[in-house]
Amino acid sequence: GESVGLHLPTLSVQEGDNSIINCAYSNSASDYFIWYKQESGKGPQFIIDIRSNMDKRQGQRVTVLLNKTVKHLSLQIAATQPGDSAVYFCAETYGGSQGNLIFGKGTKLSVKP
Amino acid sequence: EAQVTQNPRYLITVTGKKLTVTCSQNMNHEYMSWYRQDPGLGLRQIYYSMNVEVTDKGDVPEGYKVSRKEKRNFPLILESPSPNQTSLYFCASSFRAGNYNEQFFGPGTRLTVL
Repeated sequence: GESVGLHLPTLSVQEGDNSIINCAYSNSASDYFIWYKQESGKGPQFIIDIRSNMDKRQGQRVTVLLNKTVKHLSLQIAATQPGDSAVYFCAETYGGSQGNLIFGKGTKLSVKP
Repeated sequence: EAQVTQNPRYLITVTGKKLTVTCSQNMNHEYMSWYRQDPGLGLRQIYYSMNVEVTDKGDVPEGYKVSRKEKRNFPLILESPSPNQTSLYFCASSFRAGNYNEQFFGPGTRLTVL
């Protein structure tokens, strides 16, 4: 079946540096992608989303890039802060089954002070 | 306060003993969903509901049942739990399916099946 995966299971960055978290997806029919942040002991929290008709979307300190050619998604966090330490998940869905959300396995981001 | 609540938060049970994990939201959301989270596997969708009396299987529905008799509640039922259902379970809701930018997650239920 379709799967959403991640290139790196862990990422360690220095406070103030930029972070890039990557995600590969396999379902070419997927047309909507979401990034979630999960802090220890909590449920996932929405960060940013992007639809397949876009290549880039920016939020506050975060940018999501979508490359449909290679089915790759990335989350960039500018000026990473200790509060950004968490596990980050990408997720995908597609118009034909919007209720079915498929998550990737997650990347743990650790920010060193 | 807008929230998704789950009960119980922690449960240890034995194989074969039927259990129900409740999920309730107070936001009049149409869409609700159950996920399980296991180390190295991320979150996997068990069942979801687009509205009252409308439920669909997610990616890992085997061994689970759900019901959506009223809008606010979406209980997850394990008729005969087995050790491989030991996991962390999350319920989530949003106004509609696809409104994931405003999807609320519950605090999680940690289930251990002995």
